[in-house]
Amino acid sequence: GAVVSQHPSWVICKSGTSVKIECRSLDFQATTMFWYRQFPKQSLMLMATSNEGSKATYEQGVEKDKFLINHASLTLSTLTVTSAHPEDSSFYICSAKGAGVDTGELFFGEGSRLTVL
Amino acid sequence: GQNIDQPTEMTATEGAIVQINCTYQTSGFNGLFWYQQHAGEAPTFLSYNVLDGLEEKGRFSSFLSRSKGYSYLLLKELQMKDSASYLCAAMDSNYQLIWGAGTKLIIKP
Repeated sequence: GAVVSQHPSWVICKSGTSVKIECRSLDFQATTMFWYRQFPKQSLMLMATSNEGSKATYEQGVEKDKFLINHASLTLSTLTVTSAHPEDSSFYICSAKGAGVDTGELFFGEGSRLTVL
Repeated sequence: GQNIDQPTEMTATEGAIVQINCTYQTSGFNGLFWYQQHAGEAPTFLSYNVLDGLEEKGRFSSFLSRSKGYSYLLLKELQMKDSASYLCAAMDSNYQLIWGAGTKLIIKP
């Protein structure tokens, strides 16, 4: 199946710094990428949807200036957590949908665990 | 509103069969997905149903009834590695996935 790679898997940073997480589709062109966060023992929460070459669409309650999403190419989307605080500590997961995939099947990255000290 | 309901937790015995139910209410419907998620890992795709009926894939089967807004995931010959959370997600008319909170399945020897 299609492969989505997410990097880094683990990141620890100090409060106030910014962290960038990359999501790459390795063997297909991802026209749409989704970013989720997941708190312990909770389900995925969609943060934003990004389409290549256009601005991301953020879900209600998600600060677009804090969670910067860039989808500059058909194989790469990045999520930057700006001025991170301890409450931003979470598991961030990206998923990608390929061009022409009508079933909507999503391919997930491995996830990135962010810990803000 | 849009809503997905599934049990929070289930326990089953190794070698047995377990059925995880999911009911959904969405604005339009474009299919029902089941994903498996082990702790600390990203979800992995298990099944997709858009027509009524049962889809069998090895030890896992998924059933859909569109008229009832109901699906279940059936796991046979349970193995310890099947201990995970199982996420039900329905796709609405905008092709957005509405996620359930997940069912944590505990397998006992």
